[in-house]
Amino acid sequence: SQQGEEDPQALSIQEGENATMNCSYKTSINNLQWYRQNSGRGLVHLILIRSNEREKHSGRLRVTLDTSKKSSSLLITASRAADTASYFCATALTGGGNKLTFGTGTQLKVEL
Amino acid sequence: GAVVSQHPSRVICKSGTSVKIECRSLDFQATTMFWYRQFPKQSLMLMATSNEGSKATYEQGVEKDKFLINHASLTLSTLTVTSAHPEDSSFYICSAIRTGLGEEQYFGPGTRLTVT
Repeated sequence: SQQGEEDPQALSIQEGENATMNCSYKTSINNLQWYRQNSGRGLVHLILIRSNEREKHSGRLRVTLDTSKKSSSLLITASRAADTASYFCATALTGGGNKLTFGTGTQLKVEL
Repeated sequence: GAVVSQHPSRVICKSGTSVKIECRSLDFQATTMFWYRQFPKQSLMLMATSNEGSKATYEQGVEKDKFLINHASLTLSTLTVTSAHPEDSSFYICSAIRTGLGEEQYFGPGTRLTVT
């Protein structure tokens, strides 16, 4: 079964607004990664946060990780129409090597 | 750097035939590659881990005799869907990890398989 549940399933915002997506998981992890997928395309790696890290930034992206709650959030600030895509969290489980288990995904639509 | 290609990007085949999908790491060596499948509007499901020079490791519920994986070199893994059926129609995506540099997976653009 999938490790991660993401919420919301779909999110529609106006350009310039911030978008927040949440991911929850069930078991102990080594790291958690966020990916973007444009419709019918491959995945683009956005950011990796390790289990001993609490927050990480990359450009307009901010990721938090709360291992006590087994949850992570991805914040995209000042969103653009080009940010429209599906966003997935993926966890590398403790003892699972480099295998990733993907969450259910959030479909983000940024409207002009 | 870190480009992964897949070929073909789209393939249509008749039920009962076999289809081979290639995954190549273009500018790095990859001891480990992964194969995923993704149904429309769903998430990626890991099918198997492909290891150069050894047998692939399949996830529970994935038939290894149906989905043949070969990782003959450090830059190429192939997935062959044997005796394909319409329910095998899906988006197949591979990823690769740089040898010795763990963690980040680089994904290919995917292959859309349609079985008629």
